[in-house]
Amino acid sequence: SQQGEEDPQALSIQEGENATMNCSYKTSINNLQWYRQNSGRGLVHLILIRSNEREKHSGRLRVTLDTSKKSSSLLITASRAADTASYFCATDALASGSRLTFGEGTQLTVNP
Amino acid sequence: DAGVIQSPRHEVTEMGQEVTLRCKPISGHNSLFWYRQTMMRGLELLIYFNNNVPIDDSGMPEDRFSAKMPNASFSTLKIQPSEPRDSAVYFCASTIGGGELFFGEGSRLTVL
Repeated sequence: SQQGEEDPQALSIQEGENATMNCSYKTSINNLQWYRQNSGRGLVHLILIRSNEREKHSGRLRVTLDTSKKSSSLLITASRAADTASYFCATDALASGSRLTFGEGTQLTVNP
Repeated sequence: DAGVIQSPRHEVTEMGQEVTLRCKPISGHNSLFWYRQTMMRGLELLIYFNNNVPIDDSGMPEDRFSAKMPNASFSTLKIQPSEPRDSAVYFCASTIGGGELFFGEGSRLTVL
């Protein structure tokens, strides 16, 4: 089964609004990453947060990590139509030997 | 850098035929991953290599699948014989020292 599970599965918002996606996982991790995938393309790394970090920012992205709840959230502020894509969380579990396990993704649609 | 290069981008073949997918990782990266993406199962790790050595092939679905990495700049994923249920997008990704994965654009395989 997938280590990470995102919710919601799909999210539709208007340009300018904020988008929040959540990820839950099952085992202890070294780090958690978020990736973006445009339709028909490969995945692109967005941000990595380590298990000893609680929050990280990168441009319009804000990621939080709660290891006690085994959950993470990705916030995209002031969304744009170009943010339309699927977003995946991926976990690097302890003793996994650097293998990343991906969740099923959230399909974000930003309407102009 | 050109990024991770995969070929072919699209392949349509008939059941029973051999399929070979190719990947050139980013120069200097020491780990290479093969993932498969389908609507039903999401992103699944098939196998990964570290310094050209297969580390974990537990995700390879069955003996019809094989992967090689003869040198640091080339890897192949072979399916023989192919079946319709193998239809998917196959991604190659590389990294150095763990952390962020760099994905290719994928090879879309259709087995009729």
